[in-house]
Amino acid sequence: AQSVTQLGSHVSVSEGALVLLRCNYSSSVPPYLFWYVQYPNQGLQLLLKYTSAATLVKGINGFEAEFKKSETSFHLTKPSAHMSDAAEYFCAVSAINTGTASKLTFGTGTRLQVTL
Amino acid sequence: DGGITQSPKYLFRKEGQNVTLSCEQNLNHDAMYWYRQDPGQGLRLIYYSQIVNDFQKGDIAEGYSVSREKKESFPLTVTSAQKNPTAFYLCASSIYGGGGSRETQYFGPGTRLLVL
Repeated sequence: AQSVTQLGSHVSVSEGALVLLRCNYSSSVPPYLFWYVQYPNQGLQLLLKYTSAATLVKGINGFEAEFKKSETSFHLTKPSAHMSDAAEYFCAVSAINTGTASKLTFGTGTRLQVTL
Repeated sequence: DGGITQSPKYLFRKEGQNVTLSCEQNLNHDAMYWYRQDPGQGLRLIYYSQIVNDFQKGDIAEGYSVSREKKESFPLTVTSAQKNPTAFYLCASSIYGGGGSRETQYFGPGTRLLVL
């Protein structure tokens, strides 16, 4: 069984400030981890994913995340927030399982607000 | 342009009525998925299909049905047995080329279902 916990359903930062969105996972086998972004009334867009290569993963729009096995975490960061980053962010986990289609388990999401 | 289309954007259902949500992809992906999104609950998997003429139940399949007669199409029917159908429905697809769980899922723009 696998699960994802996103700490903080709402996060507010000032424009130019550091963005930190937290994600902790639980998985009985080594996981693959994903961050998606969703703008209002739209589908999800992949920001980045961890697939057991490098522990520090760089994604689109200046976001990155670090896989820390000892802490079972995969927090999303961006050094300087922009107004266009305001959206909802979802962390998801998929158990390593070749030969079958991906089955993602999503967290409940974190809504990021960026203020002037 | 390759991508996933969902129609309609908004759908209204009357009591006791079955409704069908369309999902089409031209990415040549083998695997397709249906998710339900409710506020504060993240995304939950309804059904998924790894290949034509085959599909499996996800975590919340009760009250829903699917078919996969063509590789590019994966329609979802919300039956009258689904007592709380109001939600945002998202369709996704992934390559399923043997990469299993590390494959990225690509999402459509979603259909919002409302009950009259």
